[in-house]
Order: sequence, then C-alpha cells, then structure tokens
Amino acid sequence: DTAVSQTPKYLVTQMGNDKSIKCEQNLGHDTMYWYKQDSKKFLKIMFSYNNKELIINETVPNRFSPKSPDKAHLNLHINSLELGDSAVYFCASSQARLARGTDTQYFGPGTRLTVL
Amino acid sequence: AQKVTQAQTEISVVEKEDVTLDCVYETRDTTYYLFWYKQPPSGELVFLIRRNSFDEQNEISGRYSWNFQKSTSSFNFTITASQVVDSAVYFCALSTSSNTGKLIFGQGTTLQVKP
Repeated sequence: DTAVSQTPKYLVTQMGNDKSIKCEQNLGHDTMYWYKQDSKKFLKIMFSYNNKELIINETVPNRFSPKSPDKAHLNLHINSLELGDSAVYFCASSQARLARGTDTQYFGPGTRLTVL
Repeated sequence: AQKVTQAQTEISVVEKEDVTLDCVYETRDTTYYLFWYKQPPSGELVFLIRRNSFDEQNEISGRYSWNFQKSTSSFNFTITASQVVDSAVYFCALSTSSNTGKLIFGQGTTLQVKP
C-alpha cells in the first residue's frame, strides 16, 4: 500500500490554465505539507495543514491555493499557471499532532509540472 | 536565521570507496531535529534518518553512518563501501521546535558512484 500518493505524476499544460494536484496519505497522520523543488533541485516548503487547519503559508503567490477536505487529503490548486511554476511538487505527511517539527515527514512520489 | 549548508555540490567515487557527505546547520533554537533524505534518479524522496538535538550519539545502519557534532553544528553522512545503487541526490534538512514543522533543506549533494 502506498503511504503518500499524488496524482498526477506528470502534468503538462499551457500558460494561463488552472490545474490541481491531489495528495492522499493512508498513514493516519495529522499534518500534511506541500513542497516545491525547482530546476536546481532546491526544496522549499509552501504550505502545511494540521488536521485541516492551515499552519504554514510561506511566501507563495495567491494563485496557489491548498485545500484540505479531511486530514488524509491535501490538494493544491494553481490558477493562471506561469512558466515559472514549472517544478516538481511534493506532498508530505507527518504524525505531528501539534505541528512542532518533531516528527519525520514522509514524502509522496512528486508531481512534475511543466508549463508551456 | 535557520539554514542548512551542503557545500559539496557533486561527488564522484568509484564503487567500494567510502564517501562522506557534509552538512552544516544554523539555528538558535536549542531543540531541533536533523534529517537526511535520499532522492534517487527515479525522483522520490526517501527518508534515511532523524536525529534530535539532545542525542549526539552517532548512528550506524548497515553501510550508512551518521556523525552528529553540536560543537561544529555538523551532521555528516558516511557511506562505506559505496555501491552504484547509492547514486542519488542526498539532502540534509533541519526542523526546529519554533518553526511549526517545516523542513529547511540544504542544497543537496549529488553522489555518483561509478562501477
């Protein structure tokens, strides 16, 4: 069974389109995250949710909107896609009940987004 | 400021050589956690180890070992008798009790193990 899954694995789209990436975890974890990995492999946090509540919202354009329908799911919706949004997006989860940074984060397989 | 530095961008070794990947971190928090992740060519991020700031014991897991030294703010990773399957990008990361759980990653070190 996959612990943290993301769909789709690859996403190719035109500039200006709106797209969503879905993430699900079956680990029973309380906290979920989105990270962005750029072309130089640098990884940076975008958002985190703890039991459906937004905890971290880094300096991310408001074209990016996370949505957590329940604590097992954290989706990422991106409006008006731009060339610079091309990257690999990773979802992660951790057990952390209070989002204190104590627990290991387990990552999904990543979604490679290419904006043409 | 919280920061992780992996000064080695790329390392190339021949199979069976030992290799050490360096990681230096900065934080003013007294409670923090250090991690290593592996990203093989297939792209996923694989958790390797977590160490908290109160536990300076070194750890060994098979061919992998980690050396945590608070005095030098370093958390280095050694692979003994490297194998081709060890070829990957390795990331060191930091999380603290005050930063609400986000992982701060180093730039990554690309390790190439040649047969």
